[in-house]
Amino acid sequence: DAGVIQSPRHEVTEMGQEVTLRCKPISGHNSLFWYRQTMMRGLELLIYFNNNVPIDDSGMPEDRFSAKMPNASFSTLKIQPSEPRDSAVYFCASSLGGGRAYEQYFGPGTRLTVT
Amino acid sequence: GNSVTQMEGPVTLSEEAFLTINCTYTATGYPSLFWYVQYPGEGLQLLLKATKADDKGSNKGFEATYRKETTSFHLEKGSVQVSDSAVYFCALNNAGNMLTFGGGTRLMVKP
Repeated sequence: DAGVIQSPRHEVTEMGQEVTLRCKPISGHNSLFWYRQTMMRGLELLIYFNNNVPIDDSGMPEDRFSAKMPNASFSTLKIQPSEPRDSAVYFCASSLGGGRAYEQYFGPGTRLTVT
Repeated sequence: GNSVTQMEGPVTLSEEAFLTINCTYTATGYPSLFWYVQYPGEGLQLLLKATKADDKGSNKGFEATYRKETTSFHLEKGSVQVSDSAVYFCALNNAGNMLTFGGGTRLMVKP
């Protein structure tokens, strides 16, 4: 059974460019999460969707960041314009949801470098 | 609010040594508790979990017991291997679906 799929695995871009990260959650999971991981700040939750609806986006750092989930099998995280401080590993995770006992399944991450 | 505190790393051990990574939490109610492991260059993987007080989660030789009286969920392994070198995250889920993570503890096991 396929796990969470993320693309691209690595992205190098110049400051000011638009970056789009993609995620396909595990089939049947109804919750999706975007995280950012850096050495300085550790693992941060950016946004959480339930049944394709954004539930909590309080972790989105600023208006340059946006996330969508047009259907149950696809989500995007967009940064426009990108800045060097956005360099990090971005993880997508999904879960069955429905309560506190459900674990999250993480994708392999996208390593973003903004020069 | 919810919070998770882990011992700071790195923790450096020799192969076959005993491992303990401390984790304490603050939460109202009855959270579920998790340990995740992150190997170099990979995403986080669930290692074990416990959903109620006194439950013991176990997997791959690792164990952790949900202690409500001490609000702790310490990770232990009797004999570590070089392949256990990774970053370990303690986390809780207190309501809905969101996890609260600790800062992570890096484990380095030397042959």
